[in-house]
Amino acid sequence: AQSVTQLDSQVPVFEEAPVELRCNYSSSVSVYLFWYVQYPNQGLQLLLKYLSGSTLVKGINGFEAEFNKSQTSFHLRKPSVHISDTAEYFCAVSFVSSGSARQLTFGSGTQLTVLP
Amino acid sequence: DAMVIQNPRYQVTQFGKPVTLSCSQTLNHNVMYWYQQKSSQAPKLLFHYYDKDFNNEADTPDNFQSRRPNTSFCFLDIRSPGLGDAAMYLCATSRSRDSFEKLFFGSGTQLSVL
Repeated sequence: AQSVTQLDSQVPVFEEAPVELRCNYSSSVSVYLFWYVQYPNQGLQLLLKYLSGSTLVKGINGFEAEFNKSQTSFHLRKPSVHISDTAEYFCAVSFVSSGSARQLTFGSGTQLTVLP
Repeated sequence: DAMVIQNPRYQVTQFGKPVTLSCSQTLNHNVMYWYQQKSSQAPKLLFHYYDKDFNNEADTPDNFQSRRPNTSFCFLDIRSPGLGDAAMYLCATSRSRDSFEKLFFGSGTQLSVL
């Protein structure tokens, strides 16, 4: 079965501290990996994506993520967070198939709260 | 310069009263999606249009319909809203249906059912 798991529903962290948001997936086919961010009362916005090549991917706002194929993980990291990073973060996996329709599955989300 | 625009931002309807949510895009993208997002849950794909071709997800209730009169506009119709349909409805677009394409989201319409 193909699935996406975000292990932490809530992550509180102090301002300027590092943070890691975890994402694991299960798939029998190749995958493309995405992180989206949702600020309060807004739609989702792409942070970064992994398609191929270097397993370390850099995104907007100082975020980066590392694809680990053996552990089927795509954890999101930032070395120093700001108050403005407070938002819901969604990991999403696109399962590559030969069919005409894409299959994009979102994780259940992690609420990052940055405390002053 | 918003690229995916959803109106209204908040919509209140009565139990069983039909409601329509709208989405427009200035990106000229071929694909438009409708997602349902309930509180503290992941967005769930309801259906998508690839150009004029409508693609329904297997578990989308018949109560939900969609129309795409032209490239720029897409509508979500809920024929008889129930209390369980209260949610944020997100419209998204992409250039193609390729698995690597990113999605561009609107700000969503928060639907309340009284």
